Amino acid sequence: DARVTQTPRDKVTEMGQEVTMRCQPILGHNTVFWYRQTMMQGLELLAYFRNRAPLDDSGMPKDRFSAEMPDATLATLKIQPSEPRDSAVYFCASGLWGGGYTFGSGTRLTVV
Amino acid sequence: AQTVTQSQPEMSVQEAETVTLSCTYDTSESNYYLFWYKQPPSRQMILVIRQEAYKQQNATENRFSVNFQKAAKSFSLKISDSQLGDTAMYFCAFRSGGGADGLTFGKGTHLIIQP
Repeated sequence: DARVTQTPRDKVTEMGQEVTMRCQPILGHNTVFWYRQTMMQGLELLAYFRNRAPLDDSGMPKDRFSAEMPDATLATLKIQPSEPRDSAVYFCASGLWGGGYTFGSGTRLTVV
Repeated sequence: AQTVTQSQPEMSVQEAETVTLSCTYDTSESNYYLFWYKQPPSRQMILVIRQEAYKQQNATENRFSVNFQKAAKSFSLKISDSQLGDTAMYFCAFRSGGGADGLTFGKGTHLIIQP
């Protein structure tokens, strides 16, 4: 089965450091999402792209988060500088218009 | 903005029993999509079942079926012949039929299947 691949699986970093999370969507999927999961807030949409163009990043703290899709096989989510409150599991998902979305296994980020 | 409510934080049933997870949502749209996702301890989010609002027939996938009541804005998931591997968090999700693509999730129900 086709998979969405996320790296790294786990990341521990110190406060103030830059963090980059990567996602390889399923080939042919034209929509890519970034979600964040925490115990308190549940699953929140951070940003998404269609055909590599950013469509909505209203869920993302603009001052420290950035999301890009340099090509069809790679999406990135960067946090600079990281803060303890950014600790969460970050999911990437991809899909086609009108279909269900396939999620990656997530990156568990711990900022100490 | 749409909201999705799952009123059962946790449920526990015996293996082989049938269990129903509840989900209600609020929207002013007439065309939309509803989903159930499963998240086992591995944390992978797995699509279980999908329903288009314009379809009256309830979706079914093997042991999983839904009861979609559009007027009541209710979308429950029924798991028949439950198995130990069904133990997981289950999330109900809503997606608009036009415009925004993102999923709005409920807070989830932790389902425990007892041997």
